[in-house]
Amino acid sequence: QSVLTQPPSVSAAPGQKVTISCSGSSSNIEYNYVSWYQHLPGTAPKLLIYENNKRPSGIPDRFSASKSGTSATLGITGLQTGDEADYYCGTWDSSLSAKVFGTGTKVNVL
Amino acid sequence: QVQLQESGPGLVKPSETLSLICAVSGYSINSGYYWGWIRQPPGKGLEWIGTIYHNGNTYYNPSLKSRVTLSVDTSKNHFSLKLNSVTAADTAVYYCARDHYGAYPFDYWGQGTLVTVSS
Repeated sequence: QSVLTQPPSVSAAPGQKVTISCSGSSSNIEYNYVSWYQHLPGTAPKLLIYENNKRPSGIPDRFSASKSGTSATLGITGLQTGDEADYYCGTWDSSLSAKVFGTGTKVNVL
Repeated sequence: QVQLQESGPGLVKPSETLSLICAVSGYSINSGYYWGWIRQPPGKGLEWIGTIYHNGNTYYNPSLKSRVTLSVDTSKNHFSLKLNSVTAADTAVYYCARDHYGAYPFDYWGQGTLVTVSS
């Protein structure tokens, strides 16, 4: 079972905005960088965000992220059908001495 | 462009050893970085298995440490995973990825390979 909790799913219409929360603790999110990944089943997961809010080259600015205390948030604006995927947060857990991932959130574009 | 490709048996019998190789192209493992394995059981989330540095130093998920061995072959530009004493709970899609370790991300991933544990 994951130490990082995400909502199972979020939905919005094309063009709208969704936010995905990632809730952790002082042993993980609060004092460590958070990353976000997009995963379409059957494909390689893609890094969207690293070091809490930085985008790798090629990731559009429709994707943004922030962190506050023991929680992190991913936002997607201008939602597109191609954004339908599973999204995972990830970080390091100092108590477990392990890289950990969130439970995952399915984004549905209505 | 860095590319990773997992390969290995898709079916392993219970109590036997799961063995996978991750071939890296577009980047020399010997140049640096860490290299990791992650798995995703059917219908579940991602789980980090372990990471190996190009010099052979290894870092394992404590929950799997007793059964996992990672190795690297810089001459073939690939790294490997061995998971012993497997059970049905080890059935998953296994991914390899380039790792920046710790709180830093996996930036390049393979497509994944499904390994089923069944007799």
